[in-house]
Amino acid sequence: GQQLNQSPQSMFIQEGEDVSMNCTSSSIFNTWLWYKQDPGEGPVLLIALYKAGELTSNGRLTAQFGITRKDSFLNISASIPSDVGIYFCAGQLEGTYKYIFGTGTRLKVLA
Amino acid sequence: DAGITQSPRHKVTETGTPVTLRCHQTENHRYMYWYRQDPGHGLRLIHYSYGVKDTDKGEVSDGYSVSRSKTEDFLLTLESATSSQTSVYFCAISPMTGPNYGYTFGSGTRLTVV
Repeated sequence: GQQLNQSPQSMFIQEGEDVSMNCTSSSIFNTWLWYKQDPGEGPVLLIALYKAGELTSNGRLTAQFGITRKDSFLNISASIPSDVGIYFCAGQLEGTYKYIFGTGTRLKVLA
Repeated sequence: DAGITQSPRHKVTETGTPVTLRCHQTENHRYMYWYRQDPGHGLRLIHYSYGVKDTDKGEVSDGYSVSRSKTEDFLLTLESATSSQTSVYFCAISPMTGPNYGYTFGSGTRLTVV
């Protein structure tokens, strides 16, 4: 089936640094969602993107819908310890109502 | 919170026994989903429902069944639990399908099959 390749799988960064992660696929998507999951909890929606090229921010988070509609990017600026968690992308395949989730990026912030 | 609760939060069961997980929502959302989360696989769709008594299979539905007799409740049943079904199970809800609606997730049920 279709897959979303999310990278990096994990990363350690220093507090205050900027973070970038991405999701890529060979399939075309109508919508991209970015979620964050804290330990022991379900994913929480951070940002939703609805058209190619769209750039959307939510506080220190900025996400972009790739122009080819096959990828998306999430940036976190000036990371803080509470940014720790797993970040998931989810894409809604063109012509369907279903979302496919990436395998997640585990972020650890060193104070 | 979004008004979605899962029960139980944790369960240990023996191989071969049936297990039912419950998802309850107070949002009156039409769509409900069951996912499992495993290391290296992200979230994979097991079954979903688009209305009372209307359900369909996801990508990993073998060994699972679901029922939705009321809008607010979506039950996931493992007919005969196996060790490969040890996982964290998440329920999600959405008001509609389509490009402008994401999912709201519950807090998960950690199931261990021994």
